[in-house]
Amino acid sequence: EPEVTQTPSHQVTQMGQEVILRCVPISNHLYFYWYRQILGQKVEFLVSFYNNEISEKSEIFDDQFSVERPDGSNFTLKIRSTKLEDSAMYFCATTGTEEETQYFGPGTRLLVL
Amino acid sequence: AQTVTQSQPEMSVQEAETVTLSCTYDTSESDYYLFWYKQPPSRQMILVIRQEAYKQQNATENRFSVNFQKAAKSFSLKISDSQLGDAAMYFCAYRSANTGNQFYFGTGTSLTVIP
Repeated sequence: EPEVTQTPSHQVTQMGQEVILRCVPISNHLYFYWYRQILGQKVEFLVSFYNNEISEKSEIFDDQFSVERPDGSNFTLKIRSTKLEDSAMYFCATTGTEEETQYFGPGTRLLVL
Repeated sequence: AQTVTQSQPEMSVQEAETVTLSCTYDTSESDYYLFWYKQPPSRQMILVIRQEAYKQQNATENRFSVNFQKAAKSFSLKISDSQLGDAAMYFCAYRSANTGNQFYFGTGTSLTVIP
């Protein structure tokens, strides 16, 4: 069964550093999402992406964040200057064209020191 | 924004028994989708079951079934014949059919299965 993959599985970074989280969607999926889950809290929506542009974003998704699909396969989330409060699990999710279900990747655990 | 409420932070069930996890939501929309996701210790989010709001029939997937009460805005998950592998965090999620694709998640219920 096809699945969403994410790399790295874990990342530790220093505050102020840039990080890039990568996601490989299911091959025929066209809608992409990033969510985050701070430890012990609920999963929160960050951004959705379709047709090479952002279609929705939450208030969490400020100017420090950006997304792109650089090579037509990977879907990336960049955090320009990480803060301590960016420490969380980041999930990528994807959806096919005529589908409501979002399929989640295994997540990247980001720790900002 | 829609809100999803899971009022049971923790639940436990004896192996082979049945457990019901509660979820309520608040929306003014009539067309939407509801989901239950399971998050085991590995932290991956796994789809358990989904329900379309326009369908009156409750969704069922093997040992998992839902009790969807649209008027009450309630969407509970029933797990029958509980197994040790069912132990996980369970999240209820809402998605509009018309106004955007983002999911709104509840705070989760941690399910323990007692052998």
